[in-house]
Amino acid sequence: QKEVEQDPGPLSVPEGAIVSLNCTYSNSAFQYFMWYRQYSRKGPELLMYTYSSGNKEDGRFTAQVDKSSKYISLFIRDSQPSDSATYLCAMNTGNQFYFGTGTSLTVIP
Amino acid sequence: DTAVSQTPKYLVTQMGNDKSIKCEQNLGHDTMYWYKQDSKKFLKIMFSYNNKELIINETVPNRFSPKSPDKAHLNLHINSLELGDSAVYFCASSQVDYGYTFGSGTRLTVV
Repeated sequence: QKEVEQDPGPLSVPEGAIVSLNCTYSNSAFQYFMWYRQYSRKGPELLMYTYSSGNKEDGRFTAQVDKSSKYISLFIRDSQPSDSATYLCAMNTGNQFYFGTGTSLTVIP
Repeated sequence: DTAVSQTPKYLVTQMGNDKSIKCEQNLGHDTMYWYKQDSKKFLKIMFSYNNKELIINETVPNRFSPKSPDKAHLNLHINSLELGDSAVYFCASSQVDYGYTFGSGTRLTVV
């Protein structure tokens, strides 16, 4: 079993839709939970991180962590064409980082 | 002013050649990494250096050799390149537990 599982998509939504991206994990020792956004032919960039269970909001983005279910989510409200990218979840224990395989998202104008 | 810069951006080379990829960060971070991203976008860590010392060395063929002359630089040398080495290689740096800053990647194609 992989440490981190993420549905690769692709996901295609109309502009303005609410997008839900999810990852599950198996290692209860993970401490930080992150979401990265990667545009085509670019490096991943950190979008959000959370440390504990619960929600964290930043503009149109909400990160949610449920440690009891080992499940994390990223919600994008009022999605825009500029949100079209691959979204990777990541989590770590100490120096060991584990990435999901990424979900490809296309927001259609 | 680029935070993590890697060169070259593109590298096309023949099987059996030796090549190097350079990485520099100007963020003052202590830890630097090399990641390999395959065609399915899966990011896999290869090496990690903390203040010039190797701290993570995943199961990577010994044809791959990282070198960190100082904490701002981490280079990757690859000997006897194989077709399966074709991928995008990302350098990254971090100072805290929760966030990397990635370079823009080096797209390596072995023909």
